[in-house]
Formats: sequence, C-alpha cells, structure tokens
Amino acid sequence: AQTVTQSQPEMSVQEAETVTLSCTYDTSENNYYLFWYKQPPSRQMILVIRQEAYKQQNATENRFSVNFQKAAKSFSLKISDSQLGDTAMYFCAFMKLSYGQNFVFGPGTRLSVLP
Amino acid sequence: NAGVTQTPKFQVLKTGQSMTLQCAQDMNHNSMYWYRQDPGMGLRLIYYSASEGTTDKGEVPNGYNVSRLNKREFSLRLESAAPSQTSVYFCASSAALHFGNGTRLTVT
Repeated sequence: AQTVTQSQPEMSVQEAETVTLSCTYDTSENNYYLFWYKQPPSRQMILVIRQEAYKQQNATENRFSVNFQKAAKSFSLKISDSQLGDTAMYFCAFMKLSYGQNFVFGPGTRLSVLP
Repeated sequence: NAGVTQTPKFQVLKTGQSMTLQCAQDMNHNSMYWYRQDPGMGLRLIYYSASEGTTDKGEVPNGYNVSRLNKREFSLRLESAAPSQTSVYFCASSAALHFGNGTRLTVT
C-alpha cells in the first residue's frame, strides 16, 4: 500500500518570500503521478501542480514548482513570491497507474502567508 | 462549466437515519471518487468507480454504499448514519481529480 507523509503540519512565510513544503511517499510502483492540491478556507480543492514519475524534469506552474526526487521518494513544493491568497491547506497526493487508480493523500500542511 | 456538482452542501442527520449524497460531472470522465475529510487526516478514499458499471472499495468503505447510475452520476449512501460519519465529503472525477465543493455532514 502507498503512504504519503507531510512532516510539517503548519508553516508560515512572509509575503513575497519563498517557502518549501515537504512531501515523501512510499510505493513499490514504478509508474505513478504526484500532485499538490490547495484547499483555501472556502474548502474547495484546487489542483496546483502535477508530476509524472517517468518525467525527470520538475514541473512548474507560474510561482509554483516542485523538486521531484524519485529515488528518494520525495516531492516538495516551492512557492515563490508568496501572496496572501496562498494561505491554505496544501495536500500532497499520490496516484498509481495500475488498476485501481486510487489516490492517497497526505495529512496536509497549513500554510499562512503573513503581511 | 459546472464541472463536478455535489448536493446537498450541508446536512444534519440523527443517528440511524439514512441519506444519499448526489454527485454529477459534465466532463465526460470515466472515473469518479468519493472521499471523506477529517481534521488532521487529509482525504481518505471511501469508494471509487473506474468506469460506468463498476465500483470498488477504497480505504474506508464501511457504513457506505455507492451507485454509479450512469457515466455522469455517482451517489454515496449512508444506510444508518453514525456519529463517526460526521465529516466533509468530497466527490471527484478524472485522473487529475476535479473536485466538487463538498458536503458537510453532521450526525448527532
């Protein structure tokens, strides 16, 4: 079974600064996807970024980028130029590609961006 | 552009009552999912449906049943609600998970 660990329950960052959220996972699968989701106080779940395990190049979406280390099973999220609207819970998630296609989510990191 | 629509948004039940959470997607996705979210535990998969006509148990299926009525709709039923089922429920579709806005369920 897959597990996803987020070791930082809470973090804070000053506006305009950079912050990195950690995520590690455990799997015996070779083909899979990794995701970061954002959940603001509105409770809506928003996909931030996605990484395919077969791609060595780290995914980037505007101010959001990942550091994907497949051998270490690590998938951290870097937020550059943090904005007040980035305040939210952030969830790391793993999806296997073999039958079942079910996701496993980490427990989340609560990020507060301070003015 | 409705995406994934969940109803109701809020519900209060008494122990032993039954109810069905409805979910519909208009993106022609094959796979659909039901999750529950509890404080400090992230999202846990209750049931999923890889395609119309198929359903499979997830991590926490006990106390729930599902029905994939057609490609668009995937409902979650609580036959006899228990306080331990107090949670926020999310429906989602597709491999990148397009989420509904959630249902906050309280069982007293």
